[in-house]
Parts: sequence; structure tokens; C-alpha cells
Amino acid sequence: GAGVSQSPSNKVTEKGKDVELRCDPISGHTALYWYRQSLGQGLEFLIYFQGNSAPDKSGLPSDRFSAERTGGSVSTLTIQRTQQEDSAVYLCASSFQLVATDTQYFGPGTRLTVL
Amino acid sequence: GNSVTQMEGPVTLSEEAFLTINCTYTATGYPSLFWYVQYPGEGLQLLLKATKADDKGSNKGFEATYRKETTSFHLEKGSVQVSDSAVYFCALGPDSNYQLIWGAGTKLIIKP
Repeated sequence: GAGVSQSPSNKVTEKGKDVELRCDPISGHTALYWYRQSLGQGLEFLIYFQGNSAPDKSGLPSDRFSAERTGGSVSTLTIQRTQQEDSAVYLCASSFQLVATDTQYFGPGTRLTVL
Repeated sequence: GNSVTQMEGPVTLSEEAFLTINCTYTATGYPSLFWYVQYPGEGLQLLLKATKADDKGSNKGFEATYRKETTSFHLEKGSVQVSDSAVYFCALGPDSNYQLIWGAGTKLIIKP
């Protein structure tokens, strides 16, 4: 079946502009996760969703970042007033349930470049 | 808090060599352990996992055993191929916030 998809695959924007990143999880997966991978660094966890709910938003780097999920499916990560330090690959993952032993399946990522 | 330490790369080997990439962890409770692989230009893929002590995960000739006594989950392969060149990430979790805790990644380069 189809895996996790993300769009756009690449996004180049100017500093100060807003961007919206989209994630389409595997059908039937109730849990969804956003991570950020900066060049030469590991993965940084941003936020998770159980259904449409995000119980803890403390992983978001600043109040310029927000995320939502509608219909228990597609999620969008919005970055307002982008800064150069926001440049990274943004990864989305989904799992069947929100339990410790469930595998997280990753999308190909969105490479964001802020000029 | 929980953490993962994996050996720094790049690791450069010749084809058919034996591979070990070390991964050790610090955790409370009984986390699951994972190895993910990222091939050039591609997204992260789960390579293998183990959900309890003494479990062995295996896939594509790679193996890793969940060793609670040494808090390790080392990745091994008996004979590597050029196509194994990639970045390998060790991870544990999820934690109470359902996030995976990641190692920094180890770049593996296999020369023909």
C-alpha cells in the first residue's frame, strides 16, 4: 500500500515568508509525528498527534511553528515569518497506534531552504 | 533522560567486510530499540527493531540484539555490499511523549 507522503518535496522561500508543509499518513494510522533533521545533525522531535489532537506542543521550536491535523488524516506544519535557522528537512511519520512497540513509518521529507 | 550514543562516522569498509556499528543507550523502563537507514536521496526506512531484552532484530542480512545488561543494540552484518552505503540511525522509545530518541547517525561507505 501507499506509504507516508509529504509535499512539497522541496521548498525555497525568503526570510519572513510563511510556509505550509503537508503530510499524508498511511491510511488507517491514528498516530502522526513531525521531526526536523538539520544538516549534519540528528533528528529533532517536534510534535505528535493522536487522531486530531496534539496533547503536547512543547517540542515546537518557537511560537512561529504550529501544526494541525484534520479528519484524523492529513497534517500541516506551518512556519510563520521564516528564519534562516528554520532551514532543514522536515520529516513526517505515522504509526498504526500510539503505543511504544508500533513502528513509525517515515515520509521522504520536505527540504526547506530559507534564503 | 533517555539518550542514545552511536559511533561516529564515517565508517569506510571494503566490500564483503564485517560490519559493526555500536549503539548504546540510557533509558528508564523498557523501551523498544530501532535501527533506521537513510539511503542517499531517500527517506528514513526502518531496518530492524527489538521490543524486549534479548530479542534479536534482523533484516537484509543485518542483525542487532537488545542487550539490557550492557545497554547496547549494536548493528552487525557479516558481508557488506556497496549498496549498503547509507546513514544508519539507532533510536529508542517512544518515551512518555511518544517521540523516538535518536542517535546522531553513522555514515557507512562501502568501497568496491
